Amino acid sequence: EAGVTQFPSHSVIEKGQTVTLRCDPISGHDNLYWYRRVMGKEIKFLLHFVKESKQDESGMPNNRFLAERTGGTYSTLKVQPAELEDSGVYFCASSQDSLGGGPDGYTFGSGTRLTVV
Amino acid sequence: AQSVTQLGSHVSVSEGALVLLRCNYSSSVPPYLFWYVQYPNQGLQLLLKYTTGATLVKGINGFEAEFKKSETSFHLTKPSAHMSDAAEYFCAVNSGGYQKVTFGTGTKLQVIP
Repeated sequence: EAGVTQFPSHSVIEKGQTVTLRCDPISGHDNLYWYRRVMGKEIKFLLHFVKESKQDESGMPNNRFLAERTGGTYSTLKVQPAELEDSGVYFCASSQDSLGGGPDGYTFGSGTRLTVV
Repeated sequence: AQSVTQLGSHVSVSEGALVLLRCNYSSSVPPYLFWYVQYPNQGLQLLLKYTTGATLVKGINGFEAEFKKSETSFHLTKPSAHMSDAAEYFCAVNSGGYQKVTFGTGTKLQVIP
């Protein structure tokens, strides 16, 4: 079974540019989550999709961030325009069970390390 | 509301020594509790999980954690550290009714030969 795939693995962009991160969840997982870890701090929740619908986007920092999950499969997270404070590692996770991710918890991708210079 | 506090951002142990990583949580309802591990250049991997039932939970790679409601703790232990245990460990909580997991700030474990 393929895991959660994220790309790119690294991205370095200049302030003001646009970046799009992609996440391919495990096939059949309706729940997809985006998290972010800013250097040295906790991993913070950004948003949660159930299929193509946004279940909870309370963690999205501001309107420069736009997440989509067309067709309920892969998801994209666009940052436009990027600011220095957007630097960090963006994790995607998927699960069948929305409450704690079921017996196996959430399955996380390897993350995208975003650096805004 | 739910929150997690991990004591110690860095922990060093000698190879073969006991590993103890501390985690305290806050939750208004019975929680689900997790420990995740992140090895260098890899994603987060679930080590173990507590939902209900037995309070001592065994996970992968010889790790275990005990849920202590009275102390609101979920400390992670391993009797004998191995070099391959060097990684960053995250405690996390998911409270009933919430559909998102709240993570702690992480603890980097260094194993000294």
